[in-house]
Amino acid sequence: DAGVTQSPTHLIKTRGQQVTLRCSPKSGHDTVSWYQQALGQGPQFIFQYYEEEERQRGNFPDRFSGHQFPNYSSELNVNALLLGDSALYLCASSSPAGDTQYFGPGTRLTVL
Amino acid sequence: GESVGLHLPTLSVQEGDNSIINCAYSNSASDYFIWYKQESGKGPQFIIDIRSNMDKRQGQRVTVLLNKTVKHLSLQIAATQPGDSAVYFCAENIHRGMGNQFYFGTGTSLTVIP
Repeated sequence: DAGVTQSPTHLIKTRGQQVTLRCSPKSGHDTVSWYQQALGQGPQFIFQYYEEEERQRGNFPDRFSGHQFPNYSSELNVNALLLGDSALYLCASSSPAGDTQYFGPGTRLTVL
Repeated sequence: GESVGLHLPTLSVQEGDNSIINCAYSNSASDYFIWYKQESGKGPQFIIDIRSNMDKRQGQRVTVLLNKTVKHLSLQIAATQPGDSAVYFCAENIHRGMGNQFYFGTGTSLTVIP
């Protein structure tokens, strides 16, 4: 049973560029949440997707957007990248039955 | 606003000793808590959880205690092993509307000395 998977593992972009990160939830899970983790900090909630809709959003600008597909996989898009967007981006999935969120390995984004 | 904080940023223990990691939370509406372990370069790994209607929950070598009166959580690791070295986060779950989100503290770095 595969856990949460994310791609790519690492990514390097320059300021002003756009990036798309991908996530496949754990089998049987239908809800996907995205978090940003800066170095030395705890993860910060970006948004949550359920039934292909953004259900909840944290304190992140509109440059951060997402999408969920019918197979429950999800994408995180960040436009007009800033140096401060450099971080580990984590995807977490949860099942219809509960709140517990299980995390993927993350995508390390570096903005130069 | 909501905040989850940890009392100690670093903790060093001898192999075989018990470890206690503490966490304070601020939102009395939080109804569910998870302890995660994060090793370098990896995503957070679920360790144990507890709901607000419980005071204590035990797993394999780990115990979580919840004191709602003072809004405090602790994670106890028995017979700490070198493989337990990692950063530990407590996360509090808050429901907003139809969804839920977790608020994380800064983390405590646990180092196990062989």
